[in-house]
Amino acid sequence: DAKTTQPNSMESNEEEPVHLPCNHSTISGTDYIHWYRQLPSQGPEYVIHGLTSNVNNRMASLAIAEDRKSSTLILHRATLRDAAVYYCILRDVVQFGSSYKLIFGSGTRLLVRP
Amino acid sequence: DVKVTQSSRYLVKRTGEKVFLECVQDMDHENMFWYRQDPGLGLRLIYFSYDVKMKEKGDIPEGYSVSREKKERFSLILESASTNQTSMYLCASSFTGVRDRGLETQYFGPGTRLLVL
Repeated sequence: DAKTTQPNSMESNEEEPVHLPCNHSTISGTDYIHWYRQLPSQGPEYVIHGLTSNVNNRMASLAIAEDRKSSTLILHRATLRDAAVYYCILRDVVQFGSSYKLIFGSGTRLLVRP
Repeated sequence: DVKVTQSSRYLVKRTGEKVFLECVQDMDHENMFWYRQDPGLGLRLIYFSYDVKMKEKGDIPEGYSVSREKKERFSLILESASTNQTSMYLCASSFTGVRDRGLETQYFGPGTRLLVL
């Protein structure tokens, strides 16, 4: 399984942008890059995903390097509610039915200072 | 909104007990998953199911079994609980996308924190 590498923790000030990096040097050509986050005492929630092009949604932006060996999740204005563990995940397609599993690493714990 | 609920937020059991963890989703999703989460190990997949009565082993199925008799409900069973099964258990569900196969968002429940004494 292709692996991802993320910093253990990062800090940010409220209202400032945050760039969360992820390295995935062994990514295959058909792996999608997913980001999930886990708020304290909650289950993970989907943030964004992409394949090659940069992606934007209401929660965040995803910038993918041209060689796809790294990506960056961008929170444009961090709030206290964005304090969470952020997981960068490569899709692993299970060739049985249409199910697939997500391989979670240890993620990056984002601390947001007021 | 998609809702995934788990029967308990906290559970305390004794070694050797049979433990049932229930998960229910209300969005008619075909796929359901059970993960456990431990410090330093991230989330690990125990079992998943892609249809009623269908199941597949994940990465760490030993000591667990599952049951999916109805589409909305996926149960995780610890046949004889052991202390090394003390963990946070997370259930998730997703639909089966035809056009965007493999990109289906997984929706997670709040988790059950199980302590086995």
